[in-house]
Amino acid sequence: QVQLQESGPGLVKPSQTLSLTCTVSGGSIRSGDYFWSWIRQPPGKGLEWIAYIHYSGSTYYTPSLKSRVTISIDTSKNQLSLELSSVTAADTAVYYCARVAKAEDYFYYYFMDVWGTGTTVTVSS
Amino acid sequence: QSALTQPASVSGSPGQSITISCTGASSDVGVYNLVSWYQQHPGKAPKLMIYDVSKRPSGVSNRFSGSKSGDTASLTISGLQAEDEADYYCSAYRSSTTLVFGGGTKLTVL
Repeated sequence: QVQLQESGPGLVKPSQTLSLTCTVSGGSIRSGDYFWSWIRQPPGKGLEWIAYIHYSGSTYYTPSLKSRVTISIDTSKNQLSLELSSVTAADTAVYYCARVAKAEDYFYYYFMDVWGTGTTVTVSS
Repeated sequence: QSALTQPASVSGSPGQSITISCTGASSDVGVYNLVSWYQQHPGKAPKLMIYDVSKRPSGVSNRFSGSKSGDTASLTISGLQAEDEADYYCSAYRSSTTLVFGGGTKLTVL
């Protein structure tokens, strides 16, 4: 049973870079059957998709964050990473990593079938 | 990019049925049968309830069902139970290989 666990600093100063890691256990991040994604949720607000990546290197980003976000995979460590630069208070959120599965009848990866528990990041001086 | 549109809240009594709508556009819900729904209890991670508009993952109660008409997808919960009280989010594949969520709907079981 695949499990995901996010980790990273709980507090980041404004204008700095937020760096998070998601460790995958119980399965391989090299599985060609899945993409891997980051999603965030500001306090009291809804979910926002950030980006996703395939171990082969294909990456896709939400347009509003694309200029500040980098998603990457370390297959040797079975980890997914997120970097978000020039953070502001608006980036304060719970950050989730998730596994992204493919539709049964189409070659599109889009639904998150396994989620991590989330890690809270606060941007404050 | 704009989120999918969901009602902020819905409510129902135990045993009743409720439906949550999720309105998108011709670039997402209207053109692809790639809609998923998630349940989120307070302080918990989201849980997949429906994918591919109407399919249920193993272990999800058959009280949960999904459908779509035009640009609007719907989640129906029948035989409401107290444990169904949670926030529900729809999500869809959007052109240019991006994903989008709805704003979320708070379900209250009266």
